[in-house]
Amino acid sequence: GAGVSQSPSNKVTEKGKDVELRCDPISGHTALYWYRQRLGQGLEFLIYFQGNSAPDKSGLPSDRFSAERTGESVSTLTIQRTQQEDSAVYLCASSQTGNQPQHFGDGTRLSIL
Amino acid sequence: QKEVEQDPGPLSVPEGAIVSLNCTYSNSAFQYFMWYRQYSRKGPELLMYTYSSGNKEDGRFTAQVDKSSKYISLFIRDSQPSDSATYLCAIILTGGGNKLTFGTGTQLKVEL
Repeated sequence: GAGVSQSPSNKVTEKGKDVELRCDPISGHTALYWYRQRLGQGLEFLIYFQGNSAPDKSGLPSDRFSAERTGESVSTLTIQRTQQEDSAVYLCASSQTGNQPQHFGDGTRLSIL
Repeated sequence: QKEVEQDPGPLSVPEGAIVSLNCTYSNSAFQYFMWYRQYSRKGPELLMYTYSSGNKEDGRFTAQVDKSSKYISLFIRDSQPSDSATYLCAIILTGGGNKLTFGTGTQLKVEL
């Protein structure tokens, strides 16, 4: 079956522009997560969606970051007014429910010029 | 102090060696333990998942958890060049909303 799919795989944009990253989770997975991986650092949690519950936004680094999820399907992560420090790989993961193993996509490599 | 500490390496071993990768953690409320393998320019791939102290074996891989010492390990037997990757430990905090807390990863190279 298909794994977690992310698009675009690479994104280069100018400082100050808005970007939108997309994640298609594994079919049937109710939980969806976004993480960020900066060069030489571990993965950092950003946000977690579980079914129809309010998302856990505790990892979002600033109000320039937001995410949405439609039902139990696609999610988009939006970064407004991008800064150079936003350059990173943004990874999406999904799991059948919370506490189940998380399966990752290959990420979107974001470069801010 | 980071919540999860992991030696970044790099670690270089000859083919066929036994590899030991380790993480320590600070919060005793961590209850679910995972090891991921990440190849260059790919997403992390789940290798092992456990929630109890002791050993769990899957093929050439053994995950070991010692909750009393807050120490987790991954052993790779008969290492192969294809095992060359970055290995990430990841832990879930009970009641912490299921988010993974990762170590920084250990880069492993298995040489012919």
